[in-house]
Amino acid sequence: GAVVSQHPSWVICKSGTSVKIECRSLDFQATTMFWYRQFPKKSLMLMATSNEGSKATYEQGVEKDKFLINHASLTLSTLTVTSAHPEDSSFYICSARDLLAGDIETQYFGPGTRLLVL
Amino acid sequence: DQQVKQNSPSLSVQEGRISILNCDYTNSMFDYFLWYKKYPAEGPTFLISISSIKDKNEDGRFTVFLNKSAKHLSLHIVPSQPGDSAVYFCAAGNTGTASKLTFGTGTRLQVTL
Repeated sequence: GAVVSQHPSWVICKSGTSVKIECRSLDFQATTMFWYRQFPKKSLMLMATSNEGSKATYEQGVEKDKFLINHASLTLSTLTVTSAHPEDSSFYICSARDLLAGDIETQYFGPGTRLLVL
Repeated sequence: DQQVKQNSPSLSVQEGRISILNCDYTNSMFDYFLWYKKYPAEGPTFLISISSIKDKNEDGRFTVFLNKSAKHLSLHIVPSQPGDSAVYFCAAGNTGTASKLTFGTGTRLQVTL
């Protein structure tokens, strides 16, 4: 199956600093990637849709200036949490879109990045 | 508004028996559905999908059933194994909405020996 990697797997940073998370599709090209956030014991919350070569589309309530997304190539999307604060601590997961047989689109997920802001 | 619901937060099944995980949806525009399995501190792993033109899809021990009139789908795991213990999410999508998926809240499956 399609493989998606994320780096780093976890990061601890000081309040006010910026953190960049990378998402790579390893064996397929992904014109569309997605960034999610998961709160403890909650479902996945879609933050934004990342489109290769164009601006990301953010979900309602997600600050685009705080969560910068860049999708510069067909295999790489990055999420930068700018001026991170403790409330930004969370588990961030990316996914990449691919087509299954029968033309069903699905998303393959990365392993996630645990962010802790002190 | 929770468009995809998994009303059972947890389920415990004995090894070797059938696990049935349920999912209900409200948006009739969804035309494909997927099941994901998730371990703690990991990303979800795709399991199986079904298009709205079908009512059943089978892949090894996993079978997904779709009842469009009831807006209900279920995932059957037979036989259940201890390694199946995880949180299972159902997700729904519409081919006309930029591939976005709407996820349910998850059901934690515990397969006991």
